[in-house]
Amino acid sequence: EDQVTQSPEALRLQEGESSSLNCSYTVSGLRGLFWYRQDPGKGPEFLFTLYSAGEEKEKERLKATLTKKESFLHITAPKPEDSATYLCAVLDNNAGNMLTFGGGTRLMVKP
Amino acid sequence: EAQVTQNPRYLITVTGKKLTVTCSQNMNHEYMSWYRQDPGLGLRQIYYSMNVEVTDKGDVPEGYKVSRKEKRNFPLILESPSPNQTSLYFCASSRQGAGGYTFGSGTRLTVV
Repeated sequence: EDQVTQSPEALRLQEGESSSLNCSYTVSGLRGLFWYRQDPGKGPEFLFTLYSAGEEKEKERLKATLTKKESFLHITAPKPEDSATYLCAVLDNNAGNMLTFGGGTRLMVKP
Repeated sequence: EAQVTQNPRYLITVTGKKLTVTCSQNMNHEYMSWYRQDPGLGLRQIYYSMNVEVTDKGDVPEGYKVSRKEKRNFPLILESPSPNQTSLYFCASSRQGAGGYTFGSGTRLTVV
C-alpha cells in the first residue's frame, strides 16, 4: 500500500527565513511525485511534477527535489503570501491513476 | 481560461435525499477524478475516469456513483446521502498520463 508522510505538520517562519518541507513516500514503482499548494477554502494548485531521483524543479522562491525515498520543497526567503498548506502526492505504476496524498504541511510566514 | 468548474459550491441536504454534484472541464483532458478532503484524513480519491465510459473506484467509493458520458463532464452522484458523507469535495482533471491534476474550487457538502 502506498504511503506518503509529510513533515512538519505546521511550520511558522519569519519573512525571509528559508526552510524545507519534507515528503517521505513508499510506493512499489514511482510514476511521479507532485507538489501542490492549497489556500484555505480553495482547491489544490499544481506546483511541480518530479519523475526520477536527482530531478529538481524551481518556481520563484520554491525548489523541489527528489530522492528514491523522499522529496523536499525548499522555500527561499519566503514572503507572507507563501503562507498556505503544501501537499505532496505520489502516482504509483501499479495503482492506475490514483494519486495518494500526504497530510500536508501548513506554512505560516509572518512579516 | 482553462478551468475545472464544480457546482454547487455549498450544499446542505437531508439524509437519504439523492443529490448530484456537477463537474466540467474545458481543457479536453482524458482523466477526471473526484476527491474528498476531511480534517486529519487528507485528500482521498473516490472515483476516477480515464476516458468516456471508463471509470474505476478509488480509495473510498462506497456510497458514491459517477458517470462519464461526455469527455468534459464527470458528475458525482450520492443516491442516499448519509451524515458521514459530510465533507469538502474536489473534482480534478489531467492530460493522459500526466498526473498533474487541475482541481476545481470545491463543493462543501453537509448532510443532516
